[in-house]
Amino acid sequence: AQTVTQSQPEMSVQEAETVTLSCTYDTSESNYYLFWYKQPPSRQMILVIRQEAYKQQNATENRFSVNFQKAAKSFSLKISDSQLGDTAMYFCAFKSYNQGGKLIFGQGTELSVKP
Amino acid sequence: KAGVTQTPRYLIKTRGQQVTLSCSPISGHRSVSWYQQTPGQGLQFLFEYFSETQRNKGNFPGRFSGRQFSNSRSEMNVSTLELGDSALYLCASSPDGGTGEQYFGPGTRLTVT
Repeated sequence: AQTVTQSQPEMSVQEAETVTLSCTYDTSESNYYLFWYKQPPSRQMILVIRQEAYKQQNATENRFSVNFQKAAKSFSLKISDSQLGDTAMYFCAFKSYNQGGKLIFGQGTELSVKP
Repeated sequence: KAGVTQTPRYLIKTRGQQVTLSCSPISGHRSVSWYQQTPGQGLQFLFEYFSETQRNKGNFPGRFSGRQFSNSRSEMNVSTLELGDSALYLCASSPDGGTGEQYFGPGTRLTVT
């Protein structure tokens, strides 16, 4: 069975600085997707970034980028130029190629951006 | 396009009752997945429906069931409610549940007293 682990329950960062959130996963599959979702206090889950396992190039979305290390089964999220609006719970999620829409989530990292 | 909608947003029920939650996916999306979010267990997958058929199921008791209609709208039902069923229930839709990412609704907050 696949598992996703986020070892940092809470993190804080000063506004405009850079922060990295860690995620490791376990799977025997070679084809899969990885995601980072953001859940602000409103509880609305928002997709931040997506990575396909067969792509070696790390995904980037504006201030958000990932460091995908397939062999190490590591998928960290880097947030540059942190903004107050980045304050939220961040979830790492795994999706197999052959299990439809089923997402497996980590326990989350609560990020606080301080002015 | 309108986003994923869930009704009701908040619900209070008594132990032993049953409840039905509704999810309307983004237009054109055929896959709907349901998740339960609690402080203790985090986000857990309940089940996925695709073209009116349950395609995947998580490790929840049979009290949790669902269905999908021909317009892709989905409902989930919880019978004989227990205190531990208090949670935020999220649904997510995607075009086919395969390669596409999932888009989440705002959730239904269920409180069981």
